Amino acid sequence: SQTIHQWPATLVQPVGSPLSLECTVEGTSNPNLYWYRQAAGRGLQLLFYSVGIGQISSEVPQNLSASRPQDRQFILSSKKLLLSDSGFYLCAWSVLGNAEAFFGQGTRLTVV
Amino acid sequence: RKEVEQDPGPFNVPEGATVAFNCTYSNSASQSFFWYRQDCRKEPKLLMSVYSSGNEDGRFTAQLNRASQYISLLIRDSKLSDSATYLCVVSNTGGFKTIFGAGTRLFVKA
Repeated sequence: SQTIHQWPATLVQPVGSPLSLECTVEGTSNPNLYWYRQAAGRGLQLLFYSVGIGQISSEVPQNLSASRPQDRQFILSSKKLLLSDSGFYLCAWSVLGNAEAFFGQGTRLTVV
Repeated sequence: RKEVEQDPGPFNVPEGATVAFNCTYSNSASQSFFWYRQDCRKEPKLLMSVYSSGNEDGRFTAQLNRASQYISLLIRDSKLSDSATYLCVVSNTGGFKTIFGAGTRLFVKA
């Protein structure tokens, strides 16, 4: 069966510090991978999606970047965090041709 | 206009009530539609897909109206455990771009 791992679960970082969130998927090959952010009391905002290694599409201009160094690994990064980067970050995967998305447990990031 | 719009609620209903949520989407080329459920401080999980012919899963019924570009979710005989946020989800072909609504909060009270 397929599983998705996302870590850490919670993170408190100072303004201006770097960020690296990692997500890995097991049990499937060539998944579509996604990073979403959910601000407090808000819906999910699609940040990045990837249909293959090294292929990243950005949905919104921002302080973040994403990379996919391996087929089942998706990384969200920032060189310098802003207060506005605080939120609940969710990694998700889906299979080509099937839009159903499966989510990791999320990382709750607080920038102080 | 947002790509997917939902009434944020909250909907406060007693146990046993019937409650309906609506969602509208702006992209007429959208191909796939879903309802997800999100419990407080947890990740969203798929509740059900939405098909053009309408579909039912126990107490839950989902319907799609392509002409008017809206999706609905009906919950019958509400349970306390139905309390959650319900997210309307719209996706293009192949799921390359999946857009979530902001969600509708439901509180079911004894």
